[in-house]
Amino acid sequence: AQTIHQWPVAEIKAVGSPLSLGCTIKGKSSPNLYWYWQATGGTLQQLFYSITVGQVESVVQLNLSASRPKDDQFILSTEKLLLSHSGFYLCAWSHQTNSDYTFGSGTRLLVI
Amino acid sequence: GDSVTQTEGPVTVSESESLIINCTYSATSIAYPNLFWYVRYPGEGLQLLLKVITAGQKGSSRGFEATYNKETTSFHLQKASVQESDSAVYYCALGEITGNTGKLIFGLGTTLQVQP
Repeated sequence: AQTIHQWPVAEIKAVGSPLSLGCTIKGKSSPNLYWYWQATGGTLQQLFYSITVGQVESVVQLNLSASRPKDDQFILSTEKLLLSHSGFYLCAWSHQTNSDYTFGSGTRLLVI
Repeated sequence: GDSVTQTEGPVTVSESESLIINCTYSATSIAYPNLFWYVRYPGEGLQLLLKVITAGQKGSSRGFEATYNKETTSFHLQKASVQESDSAVYYCALGEITGNTGKLIFGLGTTLQVQP
């Protein structure tokens, strides 16, 4: 069975500090991978997607970056956090030609 | 543009009462939209509750139902008799089956509180 694991579960970080959020998918080769984000009071919106190792497409510009160093790993990061980065981050995967998504449990980020 | 509008929460109902959470969508750039209901239980991740990919069809899961109505651009979620364990946040979403962007357009979410 496929599993998706996100880390950390929650973070409190200072403005201007770096951030790295991780996501690992086990049991599925060559998945499509996605990062979604929900600001407090806002809707979930897609930030990045990746269909293969080393290739990441940006959907929304939020001074964040994403990388896919391995087939089963997706990393979201920034060198300098902003207050506006606070929110809930979700990683997800889907099959190449199927729209069913499996989401991770998410990371709650508070920037102070 | 593409968007989803759903019932603003929180919605509070008593156990065994019926429930409807409204969802309407606009799919201007998606030729064949798929419609989804996701649910997030307290402390858990987002889970797919049900999906319908063909207009006119009904999806059902765990006692919940939703019918894809292309004429009214709606996908309302209904349940005849809710349980306390149904308390969660429900998200209506719009997506497309083709392509690899995998983009889902979500509504704001509706918090459901079921009182015993």
